[in-house]
Amino acid sequence: EAQVTQNPRYLITVTGKKLTVTCSQNMNHEYMSWYRQDPGLGLRQIYYSMNVEVTDKGDVPEGYKVSRKEKRNFPLILESPSPNQTSLYFCASSWGGSSSYEQYFGPGTRLTVT
Amino acid sequence: SQQGEEDPQALSIQEGENATMNCSYKTSINNLQWYRQNSGRGLVHLILIRSNEREKHSGRLRVTLDTSKKSSSLLITASRAADTASYFCATGESQGAQKLVFGQGTRLTINP
Repeated sequence: EAQVTQNPRYLITVTGKKLTVTCSQNMNHEYMSWYRQDPGLGLRQIYYSMNVEVTDKGDVPEGYKVSRKEKRNFPLILESPSPNQTSLYFCASSWGGSSSYEQYFGPGTRLTVT
Repeated sequence: SQQGEEDPQALSIQEGENATMNCSYKTSINNLQWYRQNSGRGLVHLILIRSNEREKHSGRLRVTLDTSKKSSSLLITASRAADTASYFCATGESQGAQKLVFGQGTRLTINP
């Protein structure tokens, strides 16, 4: 089954404790991206990757890191989480750039930073 | 940066009625996409309409695009309780970074 998976689905952590949210897709997509969704602000792109070892900032990259060492995986790293990073996070993938192709979204990771 | 703006923000109708949601945007686009999100879940792609298309259908969904007015509409005909969800438009800009810019969505409630 074609899908995007994220882990964990729910996470409660404390300020400053490094964490990684994993994202994996099994569709051989070149493009992957991370979004956060907040009430009243909609979905905002954090980072995206056009292919292996190619990443770029989205609209809200501060406080996040990403890497793309393999085509299927695109982890999101919070080196020192803060309460303002409490949010619902989505990973997405597509065949090419997201402005031209439909996006396949993961189920989401709900992160709470206390 | 927010590009698409949906209208209305919330819509409540009776099952069987048609639901229309509108999206306006600001810059030139390659395409416009509509997504559905059930509460707290991932977004599901519904339709992609390219900038040179005016109308597109998929089952009970009909999307129109008016690039001169920078607007799009999503029509769901013969609504069902299962259509209850949030609906988002997303625009793919014709210049600049390869990314989608999402609106804040319309919350649709279908009453039985």
